[in-house]
Amino acid sequence: AQSVSQHNHHVILSEAASLELGCNYSYGGTVNLFWYVQYPGQHLQLLLKYFSGDPLVKGIKGFEAEFIKSKFSFNLRKPSVQWSDTAEYFCAVKGVTGGGNKLTFGTGTQLKVEL
Amino acid sequence: SAVISQKPSRDICQRGTSLTIQCQVDSQVTMMFWYRQQPGQSLTLIATANQGSEATYESGFVIDKFPISRPNLTFSTLTVSNMSPEDSSIYLCSAGQGPNYGYTFGSGTRLTVV
Repeated sequence: AQSVSQHNHHVILSEAASLELGCNYSYGGTVNLFWYVQYPGQHLQLLLKYFSGDPLVKGIKGFEAEFIKSKFSFNLRKPSVQWSDTAEYFCAVKGVTGGGNKLTFGTGTQLKVEL
Repeated sequence: SAVISQKPSRDICQRGTSLTIQCQVDSQVTMMFWYRQQPGQSLTLIATANQGSEATYESGFVIDKFPISRPNLTFSTLTVSNMSPEDSSIYLCSAGQGPNYGYTFGSGTRLTVV
């Protein structure tokens, strides 16, 4: 069975600070990896995804994530956060081989960016 | 990517009653799923909606409580049956094309059971 761990449950940063949110997954086969964001009062939106190829993936709004296969990690980064990045961030994994093509989500990280 | 319309967006229901949530996708999709997001928690997969056959339920979820239909490649319903306050949650529909495609989510149905 696949699983996802997000280590930071609540993160508070000042504007312009750098961000890194940790995500580790557990799965024995090929995976697709995702980061979703949920802004207050809004529905889930896809930030970025990794399927194959270059392990450094760039998404919307200046976010990027790096897939490190040896560490089973897919950490989310942004060099300089803005107040508008305040949201909840979810890492998700999809087992491609034998995983039923279903997404399994981490517990989420609540990010608050202060002015 | 697909656009999902989900309704109702919210409802307040009496315990013991049932609510059916509809999910309409603007294009044919291979995969459709139903999730639950309880207050302050992450998303939990309820089931995979299979077109033309019974849904595949995750551990802890049963067909009698959460019957699901998927008559075609663009539409699915989830019914929350015999509701109790513990069923108060946001229910989300998700759709995608399978391997190497991302999944889109509907805006959710916020259910309150009183």
